[in-house]
Amino acid sequence: ETGVTQSPTHLIKTRGQQVTLRCSSQSGHNTVSWYQQALGQGPQFIFQYYREEENGRGNFPPRFSGLQFPNYSSELNVNALELDDSALYLCASSLVPGGRSTGELFFGEGSRLTVL
Amino acid sequence: AQSVTQLGSHVSVSEGALVLLRCNYSSSVPPYLFWYVQYPNQGLQLLLKYTSAATLVKGINGFEAEFKKSETSFHLTKPSAHMSDAAEYFCAVSGTGNQFYFGTGTSLTVIP
Repeated sequence: ETGVTQSPTHLIKTRGQQVTLRCSSQSGHNTVSWYQQALGQGPQFIFQYYREEENGRGNFPPRFSGLQFPNYSSELNVNALELDDSALYLCASSLVPGGRSTGELFFGEGSRLTVL
Repeated sequence: AQSVTQLGSHVSVSEGALVLLRCNYSSSVPPYLFWYVQYPNQGLQLLLKYTSAATLVKGINGFEAEFKKSETSFHLTKPSAHMSDAAEYFCAVSGTGNQFYFGTGTSLTVIP
């Protein structure tokens, strides 16, 4: 069983640039969620994708966008990077039965983004 | 709305001592509650979950948690700490829209 994999593991960008982060979900999982974890904080929900459509969004501006592909892999795109976007970005996959999630999230090891 | 509060951002225990990490929740619907552990430079791993079955939940690595509705708590315990338990622990509640709300975390240090 293949776990959740994310790429790249580390990257450095400058303010105003754009970044794309990638995630491959665990085998058999059809739902991908993205979380932002700032230093010393808990993960904050960005959005979730289910069957290639956004299925819930947290309090993040539109410059945070995503995609899910037919193989359930996903991308997180962030435009016009700001210094506060520096964080660990975590991808999590799950098998959502519908309705409120009772299932666990399976996390990747994250992509650490530094914005200078 | 759903949220969790973790009391104590840092907890230190001696090896072999009881581990107690505190979590209180707020939820407008019956909550589904989770504890996750994060080791340095790694993602989060599920320790245990409560989804309205038994109120005492047993997880991996000897951890357990008790759901107490009257106290709106879901504290994590382990009878005897091991050096390998040193990590960051997050309490989370599953909310509407399938999102999880995480606490700010508790860093556990185990003293030999």
